[in-house]
Amino acid sequence: DTEVTQTPKHLVMGMTNKKSLKCEQHMGHRAMYWYKQKAKKPPELMFVYSYEKLSINESVPSRFSPECPNSSLLNLHLHALQPEDSALYLCASSQDRTNTGELFFGEGSRLTVL
Amino acid sequence: DAKTTQPNSMESNEEEPVHLPCNHSTISGTDYIHWYRQLPSQGPEYVIHGLTSNVNNRMASLAIAEDRKSSTLILHRATLRDAAVYYCILRVTYSGAGSYQLTFGKGTKLSVIP
Repeated sequence: DTEVTQTPKHLVMGMTNKKSLKCEQHMGHRAMYWYKQKAKKPPELMFVYSYEKLSINESVPSRFSPECPNSSLLNLHLHALQPEDSALYLCASSQDRTNTGELFFGEGSRLTVL
Repeated sequence: DAKTTQPNSMESNEEEPVHLPCNHSTISGTDYIHWYRQLPSQGPEYVIHGLTSNVNNRMASLAIAEDRKSSTLILHRATLRDAAVYYCILRVTYSGAGSYQLTFGKGTKLSVIP
């Protein structure tokens, strides 16, 4: 069972819609991540939050807007997306101050942009 | 960023050992070697990690070459549930941020034959 919960599991949206993906963890982790995964490709890092502050933005287009309202929640706001943005969006978290650096992934939100 | 090279695919018979190789010739002295796997329709799952010494856990063993330029993930008895894409990743730690950047390579798709 994953301890990182992502909602919704599936989302279909038009190019003019505004929607959000949500990620939640209650493991006390202070780093949270968004990855994008296209079919048959490896996950690609999009954003990293550390202590609720954005620490890495991998040159992601502004139509993707991350938000970390508290240490347990991570949102990804979507606006004016393109069909090529259709992908599996994965959220992950990790606990700092350990040498493990293990990332815990959710099962992902599968996004289809029409 | 240091890169990893893995075979695109491998096959194994059920209940046989599996050795999944990974080359990382540009690894730096502080890079941890991490292995994740991704089962179909799921997020990636941590398998094992190491720095210099060989490591064992309940899922697998990790053998690291003395020069650290290659490593091998060993599954002692493959089961059908082990069919997945296995990613070998060099973990970069961002000092002070407490977050870890994992850059996924293409991975090895492991098929297990009953």
